[in-house]
Amino acid sequence: AQTVTQSQPEMSVQEAETVTLSCTYDTSESDYYLFWYKQPPSRQMILVIRQEAYKQQNATENRFSVNFQKAAKSFSLKISDSQLGDAAMYFCAYSWISSGSARQLTFGSGTQLTVLP
Amino acid sequence: DTEVTQTPKHLVMGMTNKKSLKCEQHMGHRAMYWYKQKAKKPPELMFVYSYEKLSINESVPSRFSPECPNSSLLNLHLHALQPEDSALYLCASSQGGGLAGEGETQYFGPGTRLLVL
Repeated sequence: AQTVTQSQPEMSVQEAETVTLSCTYDTSESDYYLFWYKQPPSRQMILVIRQEAYKQQNATENRFSVNFQKAAKSFSLKISDSQLGDAAMYFCAYSWISSGSARQLTFGSGTQLTVLP
Repeated sequence: DTEVTQTPKHLVMGMTNKKSLKCEQHMGHRAMYWYKQKAKKPPELMFVYSYEKLSINESVPSRFSPECPNSSLLNLHLHALQPEDSALYLCASSQGGGLAGEGETQYFGPGTRLLVL
């Protein structure tokens, strides 16, 4: 069974500093997708970044980047130049094929990020 | 445009009521999802519609029944709910069909906050 583990329930970072959120997963598949979503107090689930397992290059989106270590099954998120608006719950998610042709997401338990002014 | 809309935003209902949640997307996606999310917990998948074919999480009680009138709309019918069903209900969509890369990405609506009294 696919499992996703986020070992940091809470993290804090000073504004303009860098923070790294950890995520590990367990799978027997060789081709899969990984995501980071953020959920601010509004509770809207917002896509932050996507990584395809077949790509060796780490994904980046502006101030957000990942460190994808396929052999170690690790997928950490780095937020550079942290801003107050980055404060949110961050979920790591693994995408896998269920019955039929739709993929499903398995989420980690989340990391609550606080940004300090 | 990656917008998924959900109505209503808030819903309060008694245990004997019948109500429906609605979700709509106009991105041409062929897979749509219902999730239930309790506070400070990750979303839990309830149902998947992929190319009009339904997949069910077998742990979901029968008082929840999904309906997919067409590929753009997804409803969740509620009947005889319990107070423990109070939660945020999230709808998401993706291109589906096992398409690589972007096709695997799920986009979420803003959710419906449900309170069962």
